[in-house]
Amino acid sequence: SQQGEEDPQALSIQEGENATMNCSYKTSINNLQWYRQNSGRGLVHLILIRSNEREKHSGRLRVTLDTSKKSSSLLITASRAADTASYFCATADTGRRALTFGSGTRLQVQP
Amino acid sequence: KAGVTQTPRYLIKTRGQQVTLSCSPISGHRSVSWYQQTPGQGLQFLFEYFSETQRNKGNFPGRFSGRQFSNSRSEMNVSTLELGDSALYLCASSLDQGYYEQYFGPGTRLTVT
Repeated sequence: SQQGEEDPQALSIQEGENATMNCSYKTSINNLQWYRQNSGRGLVHLILIRSNEREKHSGRLRVTLDTSKKSSSLLITASRAADTASYFCATADTGRRALTFGSGTRLQVQP
Repeated sequence: KAGVTQTPRYLIKTRGQQVTLSCSPISGHRSVSWYQQTPGQGLQFLFEYFSETQRNKGNFPGRFSGRQFSNSRSEMNVSTLELGDSALYLCASSLDQGYYEQYFGPGTRLTVT
């Protein structure tokens, strides 16, 4: 079963705008990771944030983590058409030592 | 470094048959995990292998099995295929088991007719 619920399920924006995706989870975690998947292909790891971190940046990506609310957000700034993909959060649950993926957000960036 | 490779990329099988999928991890990675992705259920964890031992298992029936070889290459097998087994099967490797970022292969698209 999936732990994460992502919001929104789909998002359509114009090139240059920012995109924000949210992820909620249920159990205690060791870390939370974000992945991107282009249509029908494998996933690409974007960023990992540990449970004792609150914010992390990587290029145009900014991830926040609120363990008290069991939620995370992924912000993509100055989006490009090439950012069009599905984005998944994945939690590394303490004790289970396996990733549990959310349902994903489909992002469409219009050129 | 070469990425994770999966073979075959596409497969069509008939109900009742069995299938074996193969995964070669990134060199130096010792953990291999398998996932099933379907439109209805999303990405679901099948199992993880580390040092030739299954370390974690998802909630799938016993028809789904796997193994890992001494060179970290892994295979998964599905016996007595059902229509619902049609999915994209993804393999991912990581340096160690559990909490590390995973590197995914392109997947094997299995269609059961």
